[in-house]
Amino acid sequence: QVQLVESGGGVVQPGKSLRLSCAVSGFTFSSHTMYWVRQAPGKGLEWVAIISFDGNTHYYTDSVQGRFTIFRDNSNNTLYLEMNSLALEDTAMYFCARDMSGYFDHWGQGTLVTVSS
Amino acid sequence: EIVMTQSPDTLSVSPGERATLSCRASQSVFSNLAWYHQKPGQAPRLLIYRSSTRATAQGRFSGSGSGTEFTLTISSLQSEDSGVYYCQQYNDWPRTFGQGTKVEIK
Repeated sequence: QVQLVESGGGVVQPGKSLRLSCAVSGFTFSSHTMYWVRQAPGKGLEWVAIISFDGNTHYYTDSVQGRFTIFRDNSNNTLYLEMNSLALEDTAMYFCARDMSGYFDHWGQGTLVTVSS
Repeated sequence: EIVMTQSPDTLSVSPGERATLSCRASQSVFSNLAWYHQKPGQAPRLLIYRSSTRATAQGRFSGSGSGTEFTLTISSLQSEDSGVYYCQQYNDWPRTFGQGTKVEIK
């Protein structure tokens, strides 16, 4: 069955960096656009970054543009999110999600990123 | 960007009763709307896409609407239906979610 498993979260100081991973199985990873979506504690859902099936096209929400980079390794069925210059407001659960023509039909369980001094 | 507004913020319903959740878009999204259910500590789970197409085998969930007004109906609420429900439009960039409706079991 379809599985998405995130890892790489943790506690980090403001200004530092972190790389998240999302290992997928159960479907043809290289055929799907993928997203990172985050949820701040007690808050709603916010898309963070999107990457096309081939990795050639990516977009970011304004608040992370220039600080975060989404990329993928289709040979290893893994999605990544490189997060630099982390700020307190980046504290959130980060989910990877599979795009299905605009909506998200499968989600990982999430990995928690806490930015704290 | 398209703003999605859900109502009410919290809904308290007895088991077996009907629950009706609303979602309004700031401009037309046609039928490009999805609903998700999130339980505490879990990832969201897709319930409905294309406004009314069920992604789950659970027939008590139904969606309706088009344009700017949408409804999610749970025909006979069960205890496992508690949690937060989000609508999301995918007609335009960026994809945007509503703030969520929390469903509580009386």
